Amino acid sequence: EAGVVQSPRYKIIEKKQPVAFWCNPISGHNTLYWYLQNLGQGPELLIRYENEEAVDDSQLPKDRFSAERLKGVDSTLKIQPAELGDSAVYLCASSLGGGRGAYNEQFFGPGTRLTVL
Amino acid sequence: AQTVTQSQPEMSVQEAETVTLSCTYDTSESDYYLFWYKQPPSRQMILVIRQEAYKQQNATENRFSVNFQKAAKSFSLKISDSQLGDAAMYFCAYRRGRGGSNYKLTFGKGTLLTVNP
Repeated sequence: EAGVVQSPRYKIIEKKQPVAFWCNPISGHNTLYWYLQNLGQGPELLIRYENEEAVDDSQLPKDRFSAERLKGVDSTLKIQPAELGDSAVYLCASSLGGGRGAYNEQFFGPGTRLTVL
Repeated sequence: AQTVTQSQPEMSVQEAETVTLSCTYDTSESDYYLFWYKQPPSRQMILVIRQEAYKQQNATENRFSVNFQKAAKSFSLKISDSQLGDAAMYFCAYRRGRGGSNYKLTFGKGTLLTVNP
């Protein structure tokens, strides 16, 4: 079974430029998560999707960040314009459902390391 | 709000020996899950072990076991017979067992484990 796929693995941009990250969850997983991981920190949730609906985007900085999950499968996270402080790892995860139970285990992708110069 | 604290930024162990990583958490909930995730340099978060708070028995997965002290809100990870491949960042994480945001994982800052040959 293929895992969560993310691309690109690395991205270097100059500040004020736009950037986008792509995530393909595990087949059949209807819940998708985007996490931000700053250097030396644990991941922090940015947004959660149930199918194509963003059910929790309370931690997403909406002035510059946006996300979409068209058709409830792949998802894209965008930053426009990027700032120096956005340099971090962006992780995508997926799970079968959003509720309790073992089926709710989150499986993570390898992340995208963003460097903003 | 729930918090997870890992007081050991770095730990080292000799190959084949045993090491214990510490984690404490703060919550007012009685129903929750605790996790240990491993993050190697490839950045992919891998679930190592899971503990349900309502289970008194400590979880075990091969060489990995936990010491879950619910009253003390402590959740340590013991790695026996350490192998070179165990070298990674280890994150302790918390998730509520029920409720509106029961899907949300709260991570500690991590412990970097080095395994010496």
